[in-house]
Amino acid sequence: EPEVTQTPSHQVTQMGQEVILRCVPISNHLYFYWYRQILGQKVEFLVSFYNNEISEKSEIFDDQFSVERPDGSNFTLKIRSTKLEDSAMYFCASSDREAVNSPLHFGNGTRLTVT
Amino acid sequence: AQSVTQLGSHVSVSEGALVLLRCNYSSSVPPYLFWYVQYPNQGLQLLLKYTTGATLVKGINGFEAEFKKSETSFHLTKPSAHMSDAAEYFCAIGRGGADGLTFGKGTHLIIQP
Repeated sequence: EPEVTQTPSHQVTQMGQEVILRCVPISNHLYFYWYRQILGQKVEFLVSFYNNEISEKSEIFDDQFSVERPDGSNFTLKIRSTKLEDSAMYFCASSDREAVNSPLHFGNGTRLTVT
Repeated sequence: AQSVTQLGSHVSVSEGALVLLRCNYSSSVPPYLFWYVQYPNQGLQLLLKYTTGATLVKGINGFEAEFKKSETSFHLTKPSAHMSDAAEYFCAIGRGGADGLTFGKGTHLIIQP
């Protein structure tokens, strides 16, 4: 069964550094999402992406964050200047239709640790 | 704005006992409701969803949930718990379009042998 793959599985970075989290969604999917989960807390929506542009973003997704689909297969999340509070598990998800009409397929996540 | 509230961050049941995980929602428009499960070190997996139609929905692994508009609830149940059901369960709500889902805080289900 096709999977959403995320790399790396764990990334450690120093505060103030830029990180790029990478995701390869399922190939025929059209809708892409990033969520994050701070340890022990709920899964929080960051951003949705459709038709090569951001569809919706949450309050968390401020100017430090950006997303890109550079080559038609990868979907990346960039954090420009990481803060300690950015430490979390980041999940990429994709779906072939709108989220309410099609299940989101999640990757296994990238654990980001900011020191 | 839409939101979901999951009652109980941890629920413990004996193997073979009924599982009941509670979820209440708030929405100004007809909601789309979901239950996702997360096993350790994995992403989330859809258990079941309610969009329209029959209010009792059946999902994978023997789980089901009933949409009750009058109670603004979407509780998840399973008649007989298995050890393999131990995981984190998330209730979520959506409103359509390309928007993302809003997740609850999750309920950690513990199965006692």
